[in-house]
Amino acid sequence: NAGVTQTPKFRVLKTGQSMTLLCAQDMNHEYMYWYRQDPGMGLRLIHYSVGEGTTAKGEVPDGYNVSRLKKQNFLLGLESAAPSQTSVYFCASSKGYEQYFGPGTRLTVT
Amino acid sequence: KQEVTQIPAALSVPEGENLVLNCSFTDSAIYNLQWFRQDPGKGLTSLLLIQSSQREQTSGRLNASLDKSSGRSTLYIAASQPGDSATYLCAVSPHQTGANNLFFGTGTRLTVIP
Repeated sequence: NAGVTQTPKFRVLKTGQSMTLLCAQDMNHEYMYWYRQDPGMGLRLIHYSVGEGTTAKGEVPDGYNVSRLKKQNFLLGLESAAPSQTSVYFCASSKGYEQYFGPGTRLTVT
Repeated sequence: KQEVTQIPAALSVPEGENLVLNCSFTDSAIYNLQWFRQDPGKGLTSLLLIQSSQREQTSGRLNASLDKSSGRSTLYIAASQPGDSATYLCAVSPHQTGANNLFFGTGTRLTVIP
């Protein structure tokens, strides 16, 4: 099992550009999450999904959209990137209470 | 809003020493608490999960305790090894949420000196 994988690992965007981060899990988990990690602030929840076709807002959802068209995939979109979205993005999945994390995507917006 | 604090922010110890990492949270109405390990440039690995009804959990050299009423948890690492060097994060899940949404602390960076 690959667990939770994230694509891409690194990305540099210019302000105003758009992109989509892909998260995939092969554990048949119902729940999936997107977090961002910034220095001195810990991880913060952006959006989450409780099952295929569902999404919900987390603590810091502004500027992001998500989709869960297939149970194994959770996409995070930035429609118009801003320098404040420079961060490391982590995806996670869970079936019960324990969350399993991907390796992260380091995004820089210039 | 739930606030999670971890003290100290960084800790350096010689190999073989026992150590304690601290985590405190402002809202005691939690569903569970998890301790994670994060290696530089990597994702998070779950170490221990304590349900709100439990007082402690153990895994190998790790022991985590939870005092929900006082809003505190500790992670005890016995006989530390250089391979334990990493950042340790605690996270709490609030009551009455559909998914297991987590609120994280900022972590304690541990260095074990050979």
